[in-house]
Amino acid sequence: DGGITQSPKYLFRKEGQNVTLSCEQNLNHDAMYWYRQDPGQGLRLIYYSQIVNDFQKGDIAEGYSVSREKKESFPLTVTSAQKNPTAFYLCASSSAGEKLFFGSGTQLSVL
Amino acid sequence: GQQLNQSPQSMFIQEGEDVSMNCTSSSIFNTWLWYKQDPGEGPVLLIALYKAGELTSNGRLTAQFGITRKDSFLNISASIPSDVGIYFCAGITSGTYKYIFGTGTRLKVLA
Repeated sequence: DGGITQSPKYLFRKEGQNVTLSCEQNLNHDAMYWYRQDPGQGLRLIYYSQIVNDFQKGDIAEGYSVSREKKESFPLTVTSAQKNPTAFYLCASSSAGEKLFFGSGTQLSVL
Repeated sequence: GQQLNQSPQSMFIQEGEDVSMNCTSSSIFNTWLWYKQDPGEGPVLLIALYKAGELTSNGRLTAQFGITRKDSFLNISASIPSDVGIYFCAGITSGTYKYIFGTGTRLKVLA
């Protein structure tokens, strides 16, 4: 089955803790993205990667980090520096300028 | 970051009615995308448009790429209860990797 797999679906973070959200795609797309969605709000870009071993900050990168060691994988770490991490996180992938496909999302909450 | 102006923000309609929504941009795009998002899920791609003036259908959905390349329209005919959700647009310029998203239209269908 082709697509984008995000895990876990729900994640809880304690004070001072780093947590990592997983994103895997088997669409052979070069570009991968992480977006944050707050209730009733639009999508805000956190980081994106055009190619393996390269990534760029989006509009709200502070408190987040990413890696792109494999074409298929683009994990997002929410660090303790992110003071308001509660949100719905969406991973997406595309070929440049083409259709953008999304995963099913991860809901992150703070304990 | 930049957002596209999408209207209406929300609408209540009766089952069986037709629905229209639009998206406008201050920039020219080469690709317009329309998505539907259900609560707690990732957005699902409905229609992709690649050419000014293009009209594309997907079942009861029809979308158009505006002639000016700065706007796009989505129509839903004969709405049914499962059309409930948030619809949003996205645009991108060829050769770039950053998608710009609309603010979303929340659709509620009254049976």
